[in-house]
Amino acid sequence: QSALTQPASVSGSPGQSITISCTGTSSDVGNYNLVSWYQHHPGKALKLMIYEGSKRPSGVSNRFSGSKSGNTASLTIAGLQAEDEADYYCCSYAGSNTFYVFGTGTKVTVL
Amino acid sequence: EVQLVESGGGLVQPGGSLRLSCAASGFTFSSYVMSWVRQAPGKGLEWVSAISGSGGSTYYADSVKGRFTISRDNSKNTLYLQMNSLGAEDTAVYYCAISPRIVATINYWGQGTLVTVSS
Repeated sequence: QSALTQPASVSGSPGQSITISCTGTSSDVGNYNLVSWYQHHPGKALKLMIYEGSKRPSGVSNRFSGSKSGNTASLTIAGLQAEDEADYYCCSYAGSNTFYVFGTGTKVTVL
Repeated sequence: EVQLVESGGGLVQPGGSLRLSCAASGFTFSSYVMSWVRQAPGKGLEWVSAISGSGGSTYYADSVKGRFTISRDNSKNTLYLQMNSLGAEDTAVYYCAISPRIVATINYWGQGTLVTVSS
């Protein structure tokens, strides 16, 4: 099972919106409504930002939103803030053999 | 507050063994599926293994099947990963993580413990 494809880096100015794509296949992203997104500040625990494609856990800013179309999922961060600078990973359930497949990771830089 | 604290990482020689632990608190441990996920230096995340809440069902990635064993002690709220026949390709930060069911989102992660396999 190959990793999901994400852009290596995305940048934006404070207040701007950015979108991170996550491309998989019909065996993972396209087959399950279980795409999640995680924020990772190095040295800290990964934090769940979006689950089941578009749902936000309690406590996560509504500036974060998710969507999915076919084999591609997307994470949008609106009103970019300095604290959003981190690595972001997508993840999809991929069946009982592989369980989870993760994205290659995207480094978000706030200019 | 959910807390997952991994320990047991370190430097081990190729062919050696290591046991990782993950101490959990802040939730009903036995009700959750626990997983190990690793990240090699400069690489992405890779799911390694998972275990059901009761411990009766275990799951492994092909890359570790036959070498790694996942287990849990619900009386101690602790997850384990016994790693044998370690190779350089196993060098990674190992994270423990929880999800409410087998087919579900990973909700919480620990901060990870580094395993380095080198002579």
